Amino acid sequence: GAGVSQSPSNKVTEKGKDVELRCDPISGHTALYWYRQSLGQGLEFLIYFQGNSAPDKSGLPSDRFSAERTGGSVSTLTIQRTQQEDSAVYLCASRGGFSTDTQYFGPGTRLTVL
Amino acid sequence: AQSVTQLDSHVSVSEGTPVLLRCNYSSSYSPSLFWYVQHPNKGLQLLLKYTSAATLVKGINGFEAEFKKSETSFHLTKPSAHMSDAAEYFCVVSDGSGGYNKLIFGAGTRLAVHP
Repeated sequence: GAGVSQSPSNKVTEKGKDVELRCDPISGHTALYWYRQSLGQGLEFLIYFQGNSAPDKSGLPSDRFSAERTGGSVSTLTIQRTQQEDSAVYLCASRGGFSTDTQYFGPGTRLTVL
Repeated sequence: AQSVTQLDSHVSVSEGTPVLLRCNYSSSYSPSLFWYVQHPNKGLQLLLKYTSAATLVKGINGFEAEFKKSETSFHLTKPSAHMSDAAEYFCVVSDGSGGYNKLIFGAGTRLAVHP
């Protein structure tokens, strides 16, 4: 596609529910990143996928957070048993490969946990 | 470890006057540096990037930034502000070790442009 897309654009859920956030990277991009943007914490790295390598999960804040990337393309970020502090904008970015360090961001998913 | 510090959380200018958004970085090697802009309810858009070529980098919408190694700075400037420049600006350094390229963001500077 023309850019990184994310769905849904907005998600409101109740505390304790599970949510799934989806990211479609730019076609052909081998690297995919998830970031979180929240008041007070700014923009923080969550997880990184590169090709078929094991993902770097070092930024995930707790074991309630997980992500997968199927077929080297679409990625899903899952948050289990959501808490109010999970409320944030979740951003996905993709990068074309080792020859470039420019990441292109999607519009984000705004998650609100009531 | 890499880090960036944006020296101003808010900057307010009048339309037609120059813009200066300040950024200092910390890096153990020659860094890749970026400025991203985020308009309200929009995604992050790349303004410009520095990757060890020319120290003066020109970006979109008339913005430019100068890499100064001696000052560990990468300030963003524009000669004449436009109302449409009102947004939040992020200075970013890349953890480029091994092609990893995790981005480390500054806290952001909110730019207000007044008529």
